[in-house]
Amino acid sequence: EPEVTQTPSHQVTQMGQEVILRCVPISNHLYFYWYRQILGQKVEFLVSFYNNEISEKSEIFDDQFSVERPDGSNFTLKIRSTKLEDSAMYFCASSSRGPGQPQHFGDGTRLSIL
Amino acid sequence: SQKIEQNSEALNIQEGKTATLTCNYTNYSPAYLQWYRQDPGRGPVFLLLIRENEKEKRKERLKVTFDTTLKQSLFHITASQPADSATYLCAPRANSGYALNFGKGTSLLVTP
Repeated sequence: EPEVTQTPSHQVTQMGQEVILRCVPISNHLYFYWYRQILGQKVEFLVSFYNNEISEKSEIFDDQFSVERPDGSNFTLKIRSTKLEDSAMYFCASSSRGPGQPQHFGDGTRLSIL
Repeated sequence: SQKIEQNSEALNIQEGKTATLTCNYTNYSPAYLQWYRQDPGRGPVFLLLIRENEKEKRKERLKVTFDTTLKQSLFHITASQPADSATYLCAPRANSGYALNFGKGTSLLVTP
């Protein structure tokens, strides 16, 4: 069964550094998402992306964050200047259609900011 | 503000019994509601979707109900197995918008 893959599985970065998290969504999916989960807390929506533009974003997704689909297969999340509170599990998801459709999640990248 | 509440305490049940998990929401008028399963260190996995005009949905040993008057969804696992042990997340959704807004989840432990 097709799946969403994320790399790396664990990223350790110094505070203030830039980090790029990578995702390969399911190949025929058109909608892409990033979520994060701080340890012990709920899964929180960050951003959705469709037709090469952001379709929705949360308050968490401030100017430090950006997303990109650099080619036909990858979807990336960049955090420009990481803070300690950015430490979390970051999940990428994709869906074949938009609102209302099930989203398929990857197994996440654990981001640790030192 | 919109609020989603799931059983905050872990649910421990014996293998073979039916597990019932609750999802309550306030300040929402969801058009449908999704349930996901999350295992430790893994991403959520979609289980079931129920629409506001559906009272009940079934898939194998899973059953979901949706009561828009009570603003509540119940998620049942019949004949539970230790492999069902996981955290279960609900996500009520409006028709518009792309975000999944999850509850904190209920941790289920099924013991042999």
